[in-house]
Amino acid sequence: DAGVIQSPRHEVTEMGQEVTLRCKPISGHDYLFWYRQTMMRGLELLIYFNNNVPIDDSGMPEDRFSAKMPNASFSTLKIQPSEPRDSAVYFCASSKIYEQFFGPGTRLTVL
Amino acid sequence: AQTVTQSQPEMSVQEAETVTLSCTYDTSENNYYLFWYKQPPSRQMILVIRQEAYKQQNATENRFSVNFQKAAKSFSLKISDSQLGDTAMYFCAFMKGNRDDKIIFGKGTRLHILP
Repeated sequence: DAGVIQSPRHEVTEMGQEVTLRCKPISGHDYLFWYRQTMMRGLELLIYFNNNVPIDDSGMPEDRFSAKMPNASFSTLKIQPSEPRDSAVYFCASSKIYEQFFGPGTRLTVL
Repeated sequence: AQTVTQSQPEMSVQEAETVTLSCTYDTSENNYYLFWYKQPPSRQMILVIRQEAYKQQNATENRFSVNFQKAAKSFSLKISDSQLGDTAMYFCAFMKGNRDDKIIFGKGTRLHILP
């Protein structure tokens, strides 16, 4: 299996622009997680899905953030409009039993 | 609420030495899982080892082993014969036995293996 796939790996955008991050979980995994990592706040869980249904989105910082999982093999995290404080590494992870397997992350820089 | 505490923000050891990373957690649950994740400079999060709370035997994966003390709520990671490639941030993590719950991560310990 190719593991969790995230795209793009790097994204540089200007404040106010819409940003869409993409994730393909490991086939057969029924949980999908979105995390954000910064030096100041560490690793934060933003939202997670079970069988494509959002279970807990309490970590989503504000209405500018939204996430979807239209099917078992694809999820998106969208930021609109983006702000410089959104600059971080965004990870997607998936799980089938208990271990979470992480993607390589997307490094987002908002200028 | 569950919490995970890693009291060592940063550590350095010489190559080939043994190093122990500390982790304590707080929970009222009896059934749960504990994990150690490694994040090297490439930033990829890699699962190192997993421990089920109902198992008394400490988990081991090659040079990595844990000392799980359930009563003390302690879950330390021992790396034997440390290698330069072990240089990374290490995160201790907790998850309740109910899958419909999130993993709680500690703040991490940055480990440097010195040549």
